[in-house]
Amino acid sequence: EPEVTQTPSHQVTQMGQEVILRCVPISNHLYFYWYRQILGQKVEFLVSFYNNEISEKSEIFDDQFSVERPDGSNFTLKIRSTKLEDSAMYFCASSEKPLMGEQYFGPGTRLTVT
Amino acid sequence: QKEVEQDPGPLSVPEGAIVSLNCTYSNSAFQYFMWYRQYSRKGPELLMYTYSSGNKEDGRFTAQVDKSSKYISLFIRDSQPSDSATYLCAMTPPSYKLIFGSGTRLLVRP
Repeated sequence: EPEVTQTPSHQVTQMGQEVILRCVPISNHLYFYWYRQILGQKVEFLVSFYNNEISEKSEIFDDQFSVERPDGSNFTLKIRSTKLEDSAMYFCASSEKPLMGEQYFGPGTRLTVT
Repeated sequence: QKEVEQDPGPLSVPEGAIVSLNCTYSNSAFQYFMWYRQYSRKGPELLMYTYSSGNKEDGRFTAQVDKSSKYISLFIRDSQPSDSATYLCAMTPPSYKLIFGSGTRLLVRP
Protein backbone atom coordinates (compact mmCIF):
# COMPACT_ATOMS: atom_id res chain seq x y z
CA GLU A 1 0.00 0.00 0.00
CA PRO A 2 1.41 3.43 -0.94
CA GLU A 3 2.49 5.57 1.98
CA VAL A 4 4.03 8.92 2.80
CA THR A 5 7.62 8.67 4.02
CA GLN A 6 9.62 11.20 6.01
CA THR A 7 13.28 11.65 6.85
CA PRO A 8 14.91 11.92 9.27
CA SER A 9 12.81 10.29 11.97
CA HIS A 10 14.53 12.41 14.62
CA GLN A 11 16.52 15.60 14.21
CA VAL A 12 18.35 17.37 17.00
CA THR A 13 19.56 20.90 16.31
CA GLN A 14 20.81 23.91 18.19
CA MET A 15 18.78 27.08 18.49
CA GLY A 16 19.41 29.38 15.57
CA GLN A 17 20.37 26.61 13.15
CA GLU A 18 18.58 25.83 9.92
CA VAL A 19 16.87 22.49 9.45
CA ILE A 20 15.30 20.82 6.43
CA LEU A 21 12.70 18.15 6.91
CA ARG A 22 12.05 15.85 3.96
CA CYS A 23 8.99 14.03 2.76
CA VAL A 24 8.11 11.77 -0.14
CA PRO A 25 4.34 12.02 -0.73
CA ILE A 26 2.25 9.23 -2.24
CA SER A 27 3.21 9.12 -5.89
CA ASN A 28 -0.10 10.01 -7.59
CA HIS A 29 -0.99 12.73 -5.06
CA LEU A 30 -0.68 16.37 -6.11
CA TYR A 31 -1.54 18.19 -2.88
CA PHE A 32 0.95 18.32 -0.06
CA TYR A 33 0.79 19.54 3.51
CA TRP A 34 2.84 20.09 6.64
CA TYR A 35 1.42 19.84 10.14
CA ARG A 36 3.05 19.93 13.51
CA GLN A 37 2.20 18.48 16.91
CA ILE A 38 3.80 19.88 20.02
CA LEU A 39 4.01 17.21 22.71
CA GLY A 40 0.63 16.76 24.38
CA GLN A 41 -1.12 19.20 22.05
CA LYS A 42 -3.33 19.05 18.96
CA VAL A 43 -2.13 18.43 15.45
CA GLU A 44 -1.90 21.90 13.84
CA PHE A 45 -1.90 22.82 10.18
CA LEU A 46 1.10 24.73 8.88
CA VAL A 47 0.86 24.93 5.10
CA SER A 48 -0.55 23.37 1.95
CA PHE A 49 1.20 23.26 -1.43
CA TYR A 50 0.06 22.59 -4.96
CA ASN A 51 1.61 23.15 -8.35
CA ASN A 52 4.73 24.72 -6.81
CA GLU A 53 2.76 27.29 -4.89
CA ILE A 54 1.50 27.68 -1.34
CA SER A 55 -2.28 27.35 -1.46
CA GLU A 56 -2.99 28.03 2.21
CA LYS A 57 -0.93 28.71 5.32
CA SER A 58 -1.59 29.24 8.99
CA GLU A 59 -0.45 32.08 11.21
CA ILE A 60 2.22 29.73 12.57
CA PHE A 61 3.85 29.57 9.13
CA ASP A 62 5.80 32.81 9.34
CA ASP A 63 8.88 34.01 7.45
CA GLN A 64 11.19 31.52 9.13
CA PHE A 65 9.39 28.66 7.39
CA SER A 66 9.51 27.76 3.71
CA VAL A 67 8.43 24.81 1.59
CA GLU A 68 9.75 23.48 -1.67
CA ARG A 69 9.27 20.66 -4.14
CA PRO A 70 12.90 20.37 -5.29
CA ASP A 71 12.23 17.45 -7.64
CA GLY A 72 9.45 15.13 -8.78
CA SER A 73 9.25 13.14 -5.58
CA ASN A 74 10.43 15.17 -2.58
CA PHE A 75 8.66 17.87 -0.59
CA THR A 76 10.61 19.78 2.03
CA LEU A 77 9.99 22.06 4.99
CA LYS A 78 12.80 24.43 5.92
CA ILE A 79 13.03 26.25 9.22
CA ARG A 80 15.64 28.99 8.84
CA SER A 81 16.54 29.85 12.42
CA THR A 82 15.13 27.35 14.86
CA LYS A 83 13.75 28.36 18.24
CA LEU A 84 13.17 26.25 21.31
CA GLU A 85 9.42 26.41 20.69
CA ASP A 86 9.86 24.78 17.28
CA SER A 87 10.46 21.47 19.06
CA ALA A 88 7.61 19.24 17.91
CA MET A 89 6.63 16.33 15.67
CA TYR A 90 6.33 17.51 12.09
CA PHE A 91 4.03 15.52 9.84
CA CYS A 92 3.90 15.63 6.09
CA ALA A 93 0.62 14.66 4.41
CA SER A 94 -0.61 14.31 0.86
CA SER A 95 -3.95 13.98 -0.88
CA GLU A 96 -5.25 13.14 -4.33
CA LYS A 97 -7.94 15.80 -4.22
CA PRO A 98 -7.98 19.23 -2.60
CA LEU A 99 -10.35 20.76 -0.09
CA MET A 100 -12.10 17.54 0.90
CA GLY A 101 -9.92 16.20 3.68
CA GLU A 102 -8.83 12.60 3.10
CA GLN A 103 -5.20 13.44 3.73
CA TYR A 104 -2.66 10.69 4.33
CA PHE A 105 0.05 11.34 6.87
CA GLY A 106 3.65 10.24 7.14
CA PRO A 107 5.24 8.87 10.32
CA GLY A 108 6.65 12.26 11.30
CA THR A 109 9.99 13.83 12.11
CA ARG A 110 10.66 14.59 15.74
CA LEU A 111 12.50 17.90 15.90
CA THR A 112 14.33 18.72 19.11
CA VAL A 113 15.81 22.21 19.42
CA THR A 114 18.35 22.63 22.21
CA GLN B 1 -15.89 27.99 22.42
CA LYS B 2 -13.31 25.69 20.83
CA GLU B 3 -13.83 24.86 17.17
CA VAL B 4 -13.55 21.11 17.77
CA GLU B 5 -13.93 19.48 21.17
CA GLN B 6 -13.02 15.94 22.03
CA ASP B 7 -12.97 14.21 25.41
CA PRO B 8 -9.29 13.37 26.08
CA GLY B 9 -10.06 10.21 28.05
CA PRO B 10 -8.40 7.92 28.76
CA LEU B 11 -11.16 5.48 27.95
CA SER B 12 -10.49 1.97 29.27
CA VAL B 13 -12.63 -0.95 28.07
CA PRO B 14 -12.37 -4.76 28.16
CA GLU B 15 -11.56 -6.66 24.98
CA GLY B 16 -14.69 -7.28 22.91
CA ALA B 17 -16.52 -4.18 24.11
CA ILE B 18 -18.19 -1.65 21.82
CA VAL B 19 -16.36 1.66 21.97
CA SER B 20 -17.96 5.02 21.31
CA LEU B 21 -15.76 8.03 20.58
CA ASN B 22 -17.22 11.48 20.00
CA CYS B 23 -16.46 15.01 18.87
CA THR B 24 -18.51 18.16 18.86
CA TYR B 25 -17.85 21.19 16.72
CA SER B 26 -19.02 24.75 16.50
CA ASN B 27 -18.48 25.70 12.85
CA SER B 28 -21.53 24.80 10.77
CA ALA B 29 -19.43 25.19 7.60
CA PHE B 30 -17.62 21.89 8.25
CA GLN B 31 -18.60 19.36 5.60
CA TYR B 32 -15.93 16.66 5.57
CA PHE B 33 -15.21 14.58 8.64
CA MET B 34 -12.40 12.16 9.35
CA TRP B 35 -11.25 9.84 12.07
CA TYR B 36 -7.56 9.14 12.48
CA ARG B 37 -5.82 6.64 14.73
CA GLN B 38 -2.46 7.64 16.19
CA TYR B 39 -0.14 5.31 18.01
CA SER B 40 2.38 6.86 20.39
CA ARG B 41 4.92 9.05 18.56
CA LYS B 42 3.61 7.94 15.15
CA GLY B 43 1.73 9.71 12.37
CA PRO B 44 -2.08 9.88 12.21
CA GLU B 45 -3.53 6.98 10.20
CA LEU B 46 -6.75 7.68 8.31
CA LEU B 47 -9.49 5.30 9.46
CA MET B 48 -12.76 6.76 8.25
CA TYR B 49 -13.78 9.58 5.93
CA THR B 50 -17.33 10.86 5.66
CA TYR B 51 -19.21 13.63 3.95
CA SER B 52 -22.66 14.85 5.06
CA SER B 53 -24.83 13.43 7.77
CA GLY B 54 -25.41 9.71 8.18
CA ASN B 55 -23.50 6.51 8.88
CA LYS B 56 -20.57 4.87 7.14
CA GLU B 57 -19.36 1.40 8.00
CA ASP B 58 -15.99 -0.24 7.35
CA GLY B 59 -15.41 -3.58 9.02
CA ARG B 60 -15.55 -3.11 12.78
CA PHE B 61 -15.69 0.69 12.46
CA THR B 62 -18.77 2.87 11.99
CA ALA B 63 -18.57 6.63 11.58
CA GLN B 64 -21.66 8.71 12.27
CA VAL B 65 -22.23 12.38 11.48
CA ASP B 66 -25.10 14.48 12.80
CA LYS B 67 -24.73 17.92 11.29
CA SER B 68 -27.86 19.27 12.96
CA SER B 69 -26.31 18.61 16.36
CA LYS B 70 -22.73 19.29 15.20
CA TYR B 71 -21.73 15.92 16.58
CA ILE B 72 -19.68 13.08 15.11
CA SER B 73 -19.01 9.62 16.47
CA LEU B 74 -16.80 6.63 15.81
CA PHE B 75 -17.95 3.21 16.98
CA ILE B 76 -15.58 0.28 17.25
CA ARG B 77 -17.17 -3.15 17.56
CA ASP B 78 -15.44 -6.16 19.10
CA SER B 79 -12.56 -3.98 20.31
CA GLN B 80 -9.10 -5.54 20.39
CA PRO B 81 -5.98 -4.69 22.41
CA SER B 82 -4.41 -3.60 19.10
CA ASP B 83 -7.07 -0.84 18.93
CA SER B 84 -5.38 0.82 21.91
CA ALA B 85 -4.28 4.21 20.55
CA THR B 86 -5.31 7.84 20.46
CA TYR B 87 -8.23 8.57 18.15
CA LEU B 88 -8.35 11.98 16.52
CA CYS B 89 -11.35 13.52 14.84
CA ALA B 90 -10.64 16.02 12.07
CA MET B 91 -12.84 18.14 9.84
CA THR B 92 -12.70 20.74 7.13
CA PRO B 93 -15.14 23.37 5.72
CA PRO B 94 -13.86 22.54 2.77
CA SER B 95 -10.39 23.99 3.01
CA TYR B 96 -6.87 22.72 2.56
CA LYS B 97 -6.58 22.82 6.36
CA LEU B 98 -7.80 20.03 8.60
CA ILE B 99 -8.96 21.07 12.06
CA PHE B 100 -8.17 18.36 14.60
CA GLY B 101 -9.65 17.51 17.96
CA SER B 102 -7.29 16.97 20.85
CA GLY B 103 -7.69 13.17 20.64
CA THR B 104 -9.17 10.49 22.91
CA ARG B 105 -6.80 7.93 24.35
CA LEU B 106 -8.30 4.43 24.21
CA LEU B 107 -7.03 1.43 26.16
CA VAL B 108 -8.49 -2.00 25.39
CA ARG B 109 -7.68 -4.42 28.21
CA PRO B 110 -7.10 -8.10 27.30
